[in-house]
Amino acid sequence: QVQLQESGPGLVKPSETLSLTCTVSGGSVSSGSYYWTWIRQPPGKGLEWIGYIYHTGNTNYNSSLKSRVTISVDTSRNQLSLKLTSVTAADTAMYYCARETGGPFGSGWTYYGMDVWGQGTTVTVPS
Amino acid sequence: SYELTQPLSVSVALGQTARVTCGGSNIGSKFVHWYQQKPGQAPVLVIYKGVYRPSGIPERFSGSNSENTATLTISRAQVGDEADFYCQVWDSSYVIFGGGTKLTVL
Repeated sequence: QVQLQESGPGLVKPSETLSLTCTVSGGSVSSGSYYWTWIRQPPGKGLEWIGYIYHTGNTNYNSSLKSRVTISVDTSRNQLSLKLTSVTAADTAMYYCARETGGPFGSGWTYYGMDVWGQGTTVTVPS
Repeated sequence: SYELTQPLSVSVALGQTARVTCGGSNIGSKFVHWYQQKPGQAPVLVIYKGVYRPSGIPERFSGSNSENTATLTISRAQVGDEADFYCQVWDSSYVIFGGGTKLTVL
């Protein structure tokens, strides 16, 4: 059974870079038709998609964060990483990594929902 | 950009049926996923591709999707069902979440 565990500093200073890691256990980050995804949730608010990296290496990011976000995979460590530059207090949130299965289906494409989530890690950026 | 609209809150009497809606333009043509998030916990997938339940999710949870509204139905609501519920779709390779609905069981 695949499990995800986020880790990283809980406090990041304004204007610095937030760096988080998601360790994948019970499976390989480089196998299968998976979208390895980062999501965040500001205190008391809803879920916000940050971006994903597909098993092919393709990435896509939320347009509102695109200029500041990088998602990558370290296959040797079986880890997913998130880097968010120039952080402000608005980036204070719980950060989750998750896995969604998706791929070709007939003549189209299909998705199966994010069925595996990490427990989340809290990041605070003081104002 | 594509938007999903959910009611802020839904209330249901214990043992009755709750319906949480998710509105979006032509959402009936998309695969809709639903997540349940209890306080202090990560979200859990309860419905995928509009109508399918992952293993371990009670049959009381069901989904439907038509035209401009997707619906998550919770039958025989229990106190343990109280949570925030989020719908999610893909639109042009982007992931979109609804704003979330707080379900209260009275």
